[in-house]
Parts: sequence; structure tokens; C-alpha cells
Amino acid sequence: GAVVSQHPSWVICKSGTSVKIECRSLDFQATTMFWYRQFPKQSLMLMATSNEGSKATYEQGVEKDKFLINHASLTLSTLTVTSAHPEDSSFYICSVPLLRLAGGPINEQFFGPGTRLTVL
Amino acid sequence: AQRVTQPEKLLSVFKGAPVELKCNYSYSGSPELFWYVQYSRQRLQLLLRHISRESIKGFTADLNKGETSFHLKKPFAQEEDSAMYYCALSGSGSARQLTFGSGTQLTVLP
Repeated sequence: GAVVSQHPSWVICKSGTSVKIECRSLDFQATTMFWYRQFPKQSLMLMATSNEGSKATYEQGVEKDKFLINHASLTLSTLTVTSAHPEDSSFYICSVPLLRLAGGPINEQFFGPGTRLTVL
Repeated sequence: AQRVTQPEKLLSVFKGAPVELKCNYSYSGSPELFWYVQYSRQRLQLLLRHISRESIKGFTADLNKGETSFHLKKPFAQEEDSAMYYCALSGSGSARQLTFGSGTQLTVLP
């Protein structure tokens, strides 16, 4: 399977600062990456779809000016939480989809380990 | 709109007992259904998908379109099965985003 890394694994910042989270696909190129947010004891909620070479697609209710996404290359997407506030504290997870066509289409996503953001 | 419902937040069974984690979905087209598992301090990983009709680690799941369900079953639970289980749906087409259920924390007691 594919290997997806995230950096940093955790970050603590002061309210009002910006935080950048990186998601890397280590062994294959990805034109699309997904960003999820997970609050404690809750499910993963899709925030946005990162598209290489074009603008990200945001889910309803997600502020695109607050959560800046840049798909810098076919192996890297970054999520920047701008002017972070305590309510932005959460677990941010990226995933990379892989569509395999050999033997019939198989749609699978590979997840990063997540980044724990704590805003003081 | 697509939705995935996992009615049980917590489920405890004894080792060797059968286990069933429930999942119901709503989607207007032909979805792909998945079960993902997250063991303690590990990342989310795919357990099985409905189109493969496979058994992984003794788990199976059958898509019931009439009942719009995709329940996960295992006849004899093991302690190492203790984890968080998420049912997920992907719509047809090229989007491939996943909609997750709220998850069920399974604890297998010795």
C-alpha cells in the first residue's frame, strides 16, 4: 500500500498564529489529497479536497480563507490554519486516494498518521 | 446527500464471542462501502471493502442494498480486535471522497 506522512505530528501554538501542516505521499504521485478533521471522540469530517494544479475544493461550512490549502507538487499538500483559535484545536488527518484499475477498479484511501493541533 | 450511521458508540464482547458492528447508509446511487479500523495509537487503515467480498482477519461484511446496511461481522472475537471501527461510503464517480460514520469502539474482553 501507499505510505503517507504528515508533519508535524503535533503542534501547540498561541491564539492568533498560523500553523502549517504538511502531507506527503512517499511512494506514488497524487493529483488529489483529502484533508479531514477529527474532534475528540467524534468521526472524521472531510474539510477539503486538495487538487494539484488547481484550487482546493472546500466542504460546506469550511472557511477557505482560514484553512489554506496548497497542493505544491504531486507528492505534497499543505494545510495552513491561519489566525488559529482554541476552537481550531483538533486532529487533522490527510489521505491520499489510489484508484487501481488492474483487475477491476478499486478505490482505496491511505491515511496519514494525523497532526494534533492545540491552540492555547 | 450521503450519510453513514453507526448506532453503537461502544461495544464490548468477550473473547470467542461473535461480534457484529452495525452500519447503515443512505445514498441515492450505487455506493462503495468500506470498513476502516484504527488500532490504539495507529493510523486509520482499510479493513475491507464490499466489492472485494473478502474476509480480512476473520471479518466479513455483506452489502444489503434492500436494508441499506453493511454490517461487519466476526464469528469469534479476539482481544487484538479491540479498536475503533469506522464504516465509510464513497459515492460513484471520480470524486472518491469518503463519508464516515461516527465509529464504534470495540472492546474484546478476556
